[in-house]
Amino acid sequence: GAGVSQSPSNKVTEKGKDVELRCDPISGHTALYWYRQSLGQGLEFLIYFQGNSAPDKSGLPSDRFSAERTGGSVSTLTIQRTQQEDSAVYLCASSRLAGGEQFFGPGTRLTVL
Amino acid sequence: QKEVEQNSGPLSVPEGAIASLNCTYSDRGSQSFFWYRQYSGKSPELIMSIYSNGDKEDGRFTAQLNKASQYVSLLIRDSQPSDSATYLCAVFDTGNQFYFGTGTSLTVIP
Repeated sequence: GAGVSQSPSNKVTEKGKDVELRCDPISGHTALYWYRQSLGQGLEFLIYFQGNSAPDKSGLPSDRFSAERTGGSVSTLTIQRTQQEDSAVYLCASSRLAGGEQFFGPGTRLTVL
Repeated sequence: QKEVEQNSGPLSVPEGAIASLNCTYSDRGSQSFFWYRQYSGKSPELIMSIYSNGDKEDGRFTAQLNKASQYVSLLIRDSQPSDSATYLCAVFDTGNQFYFGTGTSLTVIP
């Protein structure tokens, strides 16, 4: 079946602009994760959705970051008033159950000029 | 102390040798453990999961878990140049949180 998809694959924006990143998880997967990976660095957890439960937002670095998951499927990560330090690859992953094997999408490379 | 710790490497092994990658974790009650491989410029891909003490083999890969020592490892037999990548250890802990290590860079020398 289809894997996790993300769009856009690349996004270049100007400092101060808002951006939206989209993640389409594997069909039937109840858990969805967002991570950020800066060049040469490890994965930084951002936010986690599990079914209809309230999301775990503990990893969001500032209130400029928000995410939603509509209908338990597609998720959108929004970054408002982007800053240069937001430049990174944003990765989405989904798993069938909480704590299960995560499958990653190809990522969105965000560059803030 | 970080939740999940890995040696950053780089680890270099000759082609055909066994590569041994190690990971320790802090939450003794953790039950789920995963190894991912990440090629440069690509997203992580799942290699193996392990949930019980002991060894789990899949092809050239063997994951080893020792919950008493809070230690999980990945052995790659007959290493190939195509195995050159960064290997990430991940743990799902008792707080329902996933933690990834910072990864070990492996280079297999032809």
